Amino acid sequence: NAGVMQNPRHLVRRRGQEARLRCSPMKGHSHVYWYRQLPEEGLKFMVYLQKENIIDESGMPKERFSAEFPKEGPSILRIQQVVRGDSAAYFCASSLLIGGGETQYFGPGTRLLVL
Amino acid sequence: KNEVEQSPQNLTAQEGEFITINCSYSVGISALHWLQQHPGGGIVSLFMLSSGKKKHGRLIATINIQEKHSSLHITASHPRDSAVYICAVIGKTSYDKVIFGPGTSLSVIP
Repeated sequence: NAGVMQNPRHLVRRRGQEARLRCSPMKGHSHVYWYRQLPEEGLKFMVYLQKENIIDESGMPKERFSAEFPKEGPSILRIQQVVRGDSAAYFCASSLLIGGGETQYFGPGTRLLVL
Repeated sequence: KNEVEQSPQNLTAQEGEFITINCSYSVGISALHWLQQHPGGGIVSLFMLSSGKKKHGRLIATINIQEKHSSLHITASHPRDSAVYICAVIGKTSYDKVIFGPGTSLSVIP
């Protein structure tokens, strides 16, 4: 059973371009979480999704960022018109259920560098 | 005041030493994770606790729900244990949103 997969592992973009980060949850998991780790800072929650639904996006910047988790395929975190401050490691995690502190399994992360 | 705090922030130990990293939190939780992150690497979940104590190899994690405190212990530390250790709590919301501590950077010297 493959773990959580993220791609690309490294992504370089110029200011103003779009970045698309993909996350394939563990098989059978229908809950996906995205987290961001800025340089020299801790991890911060961004968004929680279930299939075809955004459940909690309280950690997402109000502009340029969006996330989806379609019925088929990976979850996508999309950053439009990237700026240097978007350079960070983006991690996704998946879980089977919620409630009762269900374990979240983390992917390896995507390191985004904006030039 | 941060909802999740860790101490110490940085820790240097000699190989073989017993290490303790502490985590305290101020919110109601349903569970607590200890995570390990190597430099430039991904995140590995070491433990998930909701009560008591868990042991895996040289690692031991304890939690006291009443005192809102958890500790991660490493016995017979080794240079390969050098990493950032992150305490993360799963809040008592319907979405189980994770709140991360700032991390403890551990360096074990041979």
